[in-house]
Amino acid sequence: SAVISQKPSRDICQRGTSLTIQCQVDSQVTMMFWYRQQPGQSLTLIATANQGSEATYESGFVIDKFPISRPNLTFSTLTVSNMSPEDSSIYLCSAHRGTNEQFFGPGTRLTVL
Amino acid sequence: QKEVEQNSGPLSVPEGAIASLNCTYSDRGSQSFFWYRQYSGKSPELIMFIYSNGDKEDGRFTAQLNKASQYVSLLIRDSQPSDSATYLCAVIVDKLIFGTGTRLQVFP
Repeated sequence: SAVISQKPSRDICQRGTSLTIQCQVDSQVTMMFWYRQQPGQSLTLIATANQGSEATYESGFVIDKFPISRPNLTFSTLTVSNMSPEDSSIYLCSAHRGTNEQFFGPGTRLTVL
Repeated sequence: QKEVEQNSGPLSVPEGAIASLNCTYSDRGSQSFFWYRQYSGKSPELIMFIYSNGDKEDGRFTAQLNKASQYVSLLIRDSQPSDSATYLCAVIVDKLIFGTGTRLQVFP
């Protein structure tokens, strides 16, 4: 399995500010993804982070709100912009290697006041 | 119809029993199926994957896939209190789609 780290592990932010979450994988991976998991709910895919090109966003998520970077095959960032309390959630980075197995980072727990 | 459906539970089983977790999916084109375990406050952990019809065993875990019925299950033998967690079924369509998860409680 891939070892995935995320920073920060948690943060408390004020409404209207932005937070950038970093994801680092211990080896090169073909694909990286960003998910959101709201309290008591399952995982929702925000976007696929493409190396060398723009991220692919799922319905309901837009680049202006969730800009994503992926400068190389081991690193990606997700920014949550102009935050509101509705953005309070756990944000999870995921990497895909091998056939189809996906592994998850430890998550970033975000609280917006 | 949701793409991946699971009973939210909780499913309560006594220690040592077999826990049976079920999942149905809607897209007949799905080829890859996964079970993740998620402890409270932690991220999902991949425990099993299955691509072919039939059974796949790994230690105390057995995944079962029936593509004709669009059904995938996870059996946990000799359940332990440490198995208490939410189990997420996930299916690849064009991307990995998760069910809402089944909460399993194993009581001593």
